[in-house]
Amino acid sequence: DAKTTQPPSMDCAEGRAANLPCNHSTISGNEYVYWYRQIHSQGPQYIIHGLKNNETNEMASLIITEDRKSSTLILPHATLRDTAVYYCIVRTNTGNQFYFGTGTSLTVIP
Amino acid sequence: GAVVSQHPSWVICKSGTSVKIECRSLDFQATTMFWYRQFPKQSLMLMATSNEGSKATYEQGVEKDKFLINHASLTLSTLTVTSAHPEDSSFYICSAPGGVWGEQFFGPGTRLTVL
Repeated sequence: DAKTTQPPSMDCAEGRAANLPCNHSTISGNEYVYWYRQIHSQGPQYIIHGLKNNETNEMASLIITEDRKSSTLILPHATLRDTAVYYCIVRTNTGNQFYFGTGTSLTVIP
Repeated sequence: GAVVSQHPSWVICKSGTSVKIECRSLDFQATTMFWYRQFPKQSLMLMATSNEGSKATYEQGVEKDKFLINHASLTLSTLTVTSAHPEDSSFYICSAPGGVWGEQFFGPGTRLTVL
């Protein structure tokens, strides 16, 4: 199963873009990258996912490098409500299990 | 989007007793559900995969006789913590794959405190 590496914490000023990196250098060719976030004492919330191409939805953008060994989640205009732990996950191809890494604790500062 | 619920949201029990936690997919069917445990300031740890109509698959190091999983129907999985001890106190979260692209939907979690 691919492992992911993320910085433990980041700060971002309110209104600015938050760029959260993730390294997944052992990812296999047909494994998807998913991003979730968890606000304190709640279940994780789905944000976005991708395979090869960059993706954008109403919450965020996902930039995946051409070699697929890393990706960046972009929150274009961070708000205080975006303060959470963000997890980058590579989904297994067999049983669809999600193995969470340590995540990045993002703090949006007023 | 798909909704997963858990019941109860929190529970306090005495050491030695058993506690059952329910996980339901409210608007979709799930032949597979997943159970996680999360200790304070730590990440989610996958405990087991719950399979409708067959036995659960446990991750390495998780005691199957202590954490009983029953996938009773296509919308319900239960986790029973048997003979609970204070070290079992944790945040238990379930999820179910319900999206077109394999995304999982997570329940709100159950806070278990064993006295």
